[in-house]
Amino acid sequence: DVKVTQSSRYLVKRTGEKVFLECVQDMDHENMFWYRQDPGLGLRLIYFSYDVKMKEKGDIPEGYSVSREKKERFSLILESASTNQTSMYLCASSSEGLGFSGELFFGEGSRLTVL
Amino acid sequence: AQSVTQLDSQVPVFEEAPVELRCNYSSSVSVYLFWYVQYPNQGLQLLLKYLSGSTLVKGINGFEAEFNKSQTSFHLRKPSVHISDTAEYFCAVSRRTGANNLFFGTGTRLTVIP
Repeated sequence: DVKVTQSSRYLVKRTGEKVFLECVQDMDHENMFWYRQDPGLGLRLIYFSYDVKMKEKGDIPEGYSVSREKKERFSLILESASTNQTSMYLCASSSEGLGFSGELFFGEGSRLTVL
Repeated sequence: AQSVTQLDSQVPVFEEAPVELRCNYSSSVSVYLFWYVQYPNQGLQLLLKYLSGSTLVKGINGFEAEFNKSQTSFHLRKPSVHISDTAEYFCAVSRRTGANNLFFGTGTRLTVIP
């Protein structure tokens, strides 16, 4: 069965802390994505990666960075967490490249609260 | 650029009644269209997609959607809903070429009332 695993379902952090959100997929997919989900705003793309060590900014990359050292793992990093980064973070992967027609496979999400 | 508008943020409906969730898109190029569903405390999963061919697309759990190019719509329908259909539904669009991403709508929360 297809699996995207996010390491933490719930996190509580303090303002200014460095936060790591980890995502692992077992489908050998080339593409991986980090989205942020907020009520009334839907899903917004933070960063995506189409290959190891490759990354592209999405629609809202400010305040975030990413790392993809291995094909199966894509990490989202908040260098200095702020309260406006309190949100649900969703990781996804896909096997399709350019000319996107494929399916995104999502993890269960990581709900981050920054105090 | 592509954009997606889901006209209803919340849709309450009685069990066994039909439902339609509306989605309109905007794009200057040809697109692929998707509906995803998010059950409580879970990630999103694909419900159905339109790539080409027949404009009526059937998905999982008895859902279907119709692509209407002239009205730039991709409405989701089910003739008879169940309690288990209570979830949030997202419409999404991607370009047919040169795309690496889906653009999602803001979601419609479907609540099925017993």
